[in-house]
Amino acid sequence: DAMVIQNPRYQVTQFGKPVTLSCSQTLNHNVMYWYQQKSSQAPKLLFHYYDKDFNNEADTPDNFQSRRPNTSFCFLDIRSPGLGDAAMYLCATSRDLGQHYEQYFGPGTRLTVT
Amino acid sequence: AQSVTQLDSQVPVFEEAPVELRCNYSSSVSVYLFWYVQYPNQGLQLLLKYLSGSTLVESINGFEAEFNKSQTSFHLRKPSVHISDTAEYFCAVSRYNQGGKLIFGQGTELSVKP
Repeated sequence: DAMVIQNPRYQVTQFGKPVTLSCSQTLNHNVMYWYQQKSSQAPKLLFHYYDKDFNNEADTPDNFQSRRPNTSFCFLDIRSPGLGDAAMYLCATSRDLGQHYEQYFGPGTRLTVT
Repeated sequence: AQSVTQLDSQVPVFEEAPVELRCNYSSSVSVYLFWYVQYPNQGLQLLLKYLSGSTLVESINGFEAEFNKSQTSFHLRKPSVHISDTAEYFCAVSRYNQGGKLIFGQGTELSVKP
């Protein structure tokens, strides 16, 4: 089945140690999104790629970066994780931009910062 | 700015009872409305959406939601819930001119008891 895959499902990193989260998709969608969901809070959009064009949300900290080397893969890099970055990170894809295009979500990666 | 408020963080209910999960939004412009469901250890899945037309929208598993513009609400209802409906439910809005960007509410945890 076509799907959105996130690896690993659980990631533990140390304070200040760079960490990379991975997302891949078999849907061949143009758009890939990264959301941050802290405990008992709403998912919050960090940034998205439309094809190779990167779009950062205005309030996303500089500590968060992303790479999309090809259509299928997108990475979330946290350069110096702080305790406040512990959260569930959700990857999503959509065929195109716009409300008519459903976003398909992966299962998420739960990040713990020690 | 737009925001989404889900009025109940937790809703416990007995099997076969009716349920309503409440969602209100604030926006100065027209919006599109969505309900997503997140089962344990899974990603978010689109349950139903309102883009235009009939204000009552239905999902394939018996849920329905009604867009009420005057009350800025999009409450989710089901006349008879099943154990399998136990999940977290997120309401989301998208402004018509923001390329499908989703703003989520904080979620309502529906717990169906036998």
